Amino acid sequence: DTAVSQTPKYLVTQMGNDKSIKCEQNLGHDTMYWYKQDSKKFLKIMFSYNNKELIINETVPNRFSPKSPDKAHLNLHINSLELGDSAVYFCASSHDRETEAFFGQGTRLTVV
Amino acid sequence: QKEVEQDPGPLSVPEGAIVSLNCTYSNSAFQYFMWYRQYSRKGPELLMYTYSSGNKEDGRFTAQVDKSSKYISLFIRDSQPSDSATYLCALHTGRRALTFGSGTRLQVQP
Repeated sequence: DTAVSQTPKYLVTQMGNDKSIKCEQNLGHDTMYWYKQDSKKFLKIMFSYNNKELIINETVPNRFSPKSPDKAHLNLHINSLELGDSAVYFCASSHDRETEAFFGQGTRLTVV
Repeated sequence: QKEVEQDPGPLSVPEGAIVSLNCTYSNSAFQYFMWYRQYSRKGPELLMYTYSSGNKEDGRFTAQVDKSSKYISLFIRDSQPSDSATYLCALHTGRRALTFGSGTRLQVQP
């Protein structure tokens, strides 16, 4: 029973393409996040949604657009992919904004 | 200056050793303190969560928070090869998302 699941696990694509990553949580949490982990393992928040409402939008290029169709799902769409977008993207969820977050297994994106 | 500083390591210890992992932070608004463990090519896994100064123990793991010094620690007793992973401290103000340290890579030698 996976709590936070992301698809796909691996994604290799060419520069300029558009791609999406999907995330679903079955924990009944209200808040979901997208984090980016760079090659040095540093995890940085990108977006956060609370009950389908965007509450955090860090300095992320407009090519990245999150979408939350319901509070159990948070997808990430990336337009015009660039080499620098290569990283591991983690989805996470928490009961509310004050509590610990639970992470998915990550999506390793490689842009060639 | 980063909000959260963590020595990247790597830290190599023999099996059975006591491991001490540390983070310092600069923002006094941080009120919630967590430690995550991340195995290679896996997602971060929550180990410890605390919100007050002092110690919290869970099995072989002890989390320590000193808010006056803005210093947090994770101690691992009787370390095992299976503890080899990257350990990330994560702090929360209660208003935004988690702010992570850069992670310390731990290697426990059998």
